[in-house]
Amino acid sequence: DSGVTQTPKHLITATGQRVTLRCSPRSGDLSVYWYQQSLDQGLQFLIHYYNGEERAKGNILERFSAQQFPDLHSELNLSSLELGDSALYFCASSVGLAGEGGELFFGEGSRLTVL
Amino acid sequence: AQSVAQPEDQVNVAEGNPLTVKCTYSVSGNPYLFWYVQYPNRGLQFLLKYITGDNLVKGSYGFEAEFNKSQTSFHLKKPSALVSDSALYFCAVRDGQAGTALIFGKGTTLSVSS
Repeated sequence: DSGVTQTPKHLITATGQRVTLRCSPRSGDLSVYWYQQSLDQGLQFLIHYYNGEERAKGNILERFSAQQFPDLHSELNLSSLELGDSALYFCASSVGLAGEGGELFFGEGSRLTVL
Repeated sequence: AQSVAQPEDQVNVAEGNPLTVKCTYSVSGNPYLFWYVQYPNRGLQFLLKYITGDNLVKGSYGFEAEFNKSQTSFHLKKPSALVSDSALYFCAVRDGQAGTALIFGKGTTLSVSS
């Protein structure tokens, strides 16, 4: 158990809909990262938050947004969903910033299926 | 921009034999290198990392990796493979100077036969 909690574990929805994925980082971790894993694209970095502030953006679509709240949990919002958004979405946390040498701890992921 | 290449989609070894999973990287600054393992329907688990110091890094479950700056490689190795090592392995790199996010390779499926 990594200590990172993601909900829901599975989600099935229709095209055009909006969903929210939730992540609770390990106790004491200030950084939260979101990744998307799909068969064709592999593991893609989406976005990084540190102590409530956005620090880096990767291949995140404009239809997607995220935020980190004062209690350090994070939410990833996916809107106007398309079939191609079906993937496994991972949250990871670390103690410090990306420039430090700390490893990331991953949650079990949220599997999104768009029908 | 930083990138990671794992040239083999799949590696097959017999139990008891040594295994190597290859990884090469590209960063403009100092590389921070990581290996993770993913079992079916699970999240990624940290195996080991290289930040600085000794080029040979030892990690969890008997795995080790050697950092080679001239070849920009960070291959994962284990002297004697177990069937339970069968999983998906990811190499990842971060530019330590720029403080960028961790970028992952495509992954290599390791299959260990009994």
